[in-house]
Amino acid sequence: DAKTTQPPSMDCAEGRAANLPCNHSTISGNEYVYWYRQIHSQGPQYIIHGLKNNETNEMASLIITEDRKSSTLILPHATLRDTAVYYCIVRVALSGSARQLTFGSGTQLTVLP
Amino acid sequence: DVKVTQSSRYLVKRTGEKVFLECVQDMDHENMFWYRQDPGLGLRLIYFSYDVKMKEKGDIPEGYSVSREKKERFSLILESASTNQTSMYLCASRSGSKDGYTFGSGTRLTVV
Repeated sequence: DAKTTQPPSMDCAEGRAANLPCNHSTISGNEYVYWYRQIHSQGPQYIIHGLKNNETNEMASLIITEDRKSSTLILPHATLRDTAVYYCIVRVALSGSARQLTFGSGTQLTVLP
Repeated sequence: DVKVTQSSRYLVKRTGEKVFLECVQDMDHENMFWYRQDPGLGLRLIYFSYDVKMKEKGDIPEGYSVSREKKERFSLILESASTNQTSMYLCASRSGSKDGYTFGSGTRLTVV
């Protein structure tokens, strides 16, 4: 799977949008971009995923550049409960590809009151 | 919402004990997984299952076994616990191959 690069930490003011970047310059055509977050001492939580089109759900929006070499996760109105480590993962979505869920270091997002 | 429930949040066991970690999901997912998470090593796949009574080894299966007798339940077994199995254990389930994983809250196991 393609390697991803994320900033180690970011701060965001409560109520403002949090924009978390991820570089995946070696992504291949059949690899999806997934975002998860992990709040301290809890299991990872799936947020959103996409292939090449921008995606939005009740939690966040995912913007993928046209060349697919980078993406941005947007939390439109960050709250204190959004403080967590956010992981960007690139993987092939095939049956039997369970091994490829590799979490890197992620971005520690701290939402400030 | 899909729920993945792990039976214990914290466990302390002695070296040599047989340990059972239970995981139940309530959304009829076919795919279930066991990972362990250690600082600096990320998530590592221990075993996974695509169907009842079906299991496949992940990347670090040594010292572990699994059981999936019913679709909703996937159990991880430490045959003879050792101190290097002290870790956070995470169960996950998934519906289709493109879907995201739903994780349980984790079980922090300490082997003394």
